[in-house]
Formats: sequence, structure tokens, C-alpha cells
Amino acid sequence: NAGVMQNPRHLVRRRGQEARLRCSPMKGHSHVYWYRQLPEEGLKFMVYLQKENIIDESGMPKERFSAEFPKEGPSILRIQQVVRGDSAAYFCASSPTASPEKLFFGSGTQLSVL
Amino acid sequence: LAKTTQPISMDSYEGQEVNITCSHNNIATNDYITWYQQFPSQGPRFIIQGYKTKVTNEVASLFIPADRKSSTLSLPRVSLSDTAVYYCLVGDMFSGGYNKLIFGAGTRLAVHP
Repeated sequence: NAGVMQNPRHLVRRRGQEARLRCSPMKGHSHVYWYRQLPEEGLKFMVYLQKENIIDESGMPKERFSAEFPKEGPSILRIQQVVRGDSAAYFCASSPTASPEKLFFGSGTQLSVL
Repeated sequence: LAKTTQPISMDSYEGQEVNITCSHNNIATNDYITWYQQFPSQGPRFIIQGYKTKVTNEVASLFIPADRKSSTLSLPRVSLSDTAVYYCLVGDMFSGGYNKLIFGAGTRLAVHP
């Protein structure tokens, strides 16, 4: 049973470009969470999605950031017009239920904005 | 949300027992205590969870006193591969889910030969 898969592992973008981060949850998991981690800091919650629904996006910046989890395919975190401050590690986690004992995390996508 | 406080860093040597204490004075009745481990360039990994007294699994033990205002993660006989950041989380994940939990800066454990 494959774990949570994130790709790409590393993504380099120039300021103003778009970044698309993908997350395939574990098989059987329909709940996805995105977190952002700056160097030497803890993870910050961004958004929680279920299939085709955004449940909680209270941690998402109001502009340029969006997330989706379509009926088919991976969850996508999209960052438009990236700025240097968007450089961070972005982690996706999944769970089989809405209130799980634990989350299963992917290995993350390291976004570097030049 | 219950705020947690844990040491920024700790050092140990191979074969020693390591105890990391987390303070959570404002823990609520329905809150559970959960610990995660994170290696560099990887996502966090669940270690252990408890509500009160003692919980033990194949990786660690979790000690929670009666007042539940603190908890101690105990790692027996650490090895170099236990060098990681350890996060203490407190919350009612069974009602609200992880979207309401906060990963603080964690404790950076360095295990030396």
C-alpha cells in the first residue's frame, strides 16, 4: 500500500510564475490536508479538503493560493504569481476519516522561488 | 486551543534513554496528546498518542500525570537514527480534526555517537 505521494519533490520557479503541487493520498483516504513549513519552523495548517469539497481553508493566504481535490486524480495546491516569500516546504497529509487518530504525511515539495 | 511548550533542543548519546517533556497547562477535557517525529526533508510521522496515565508502543512510551498539564515522551536506548524533530500536539482531533491542531517548533533531538 503506497504512502502519500507528492510531486514534484523539488520545484524551482521564478517570481511571477505559477507553481502546482500535487498530492495523491493513500489508497482509501478521502481527506487531504496541506501544510507549509518554513526553515526551522513548525508546520502551519493551510487547507483541509475532502473529495470535491474544501472543508477548511482558514490557513490559506487570501490571494494567489488555491487548492482542489477533484473526484478523480490528485489534490492540487496552486500558487499563482509566486514571490520569494512562498519558498518553503509544502506537505500533504491524508486520512481515511474526518477525525482520525493520526495523519499520514508525504515527503513534501520543496518550492524555491528565484 | 491548548498551547504547548517544549524544549527547543536536546542532546543525547547512543544507548541512552531520552525524555522530552511538553507543557500544556490549558489542556481541555476532550483533548488528546499526540507526538510526531520529523526527519530532515520528510513529512512528520505519528509516534504515539494518549489521554492519561501511560501508553507504550514499539517505538516509545508516553507518560501523562493525573492533572494532564504536561506529558513526557520517552525514547528508550536511542540510536543515531532517532535524531529528528519531535512535535507535541494537544487537541480534540476526534471532534475537530487536524485542521485545528498546531505544530509548534518542536524539539530538535541530536543523538551523538
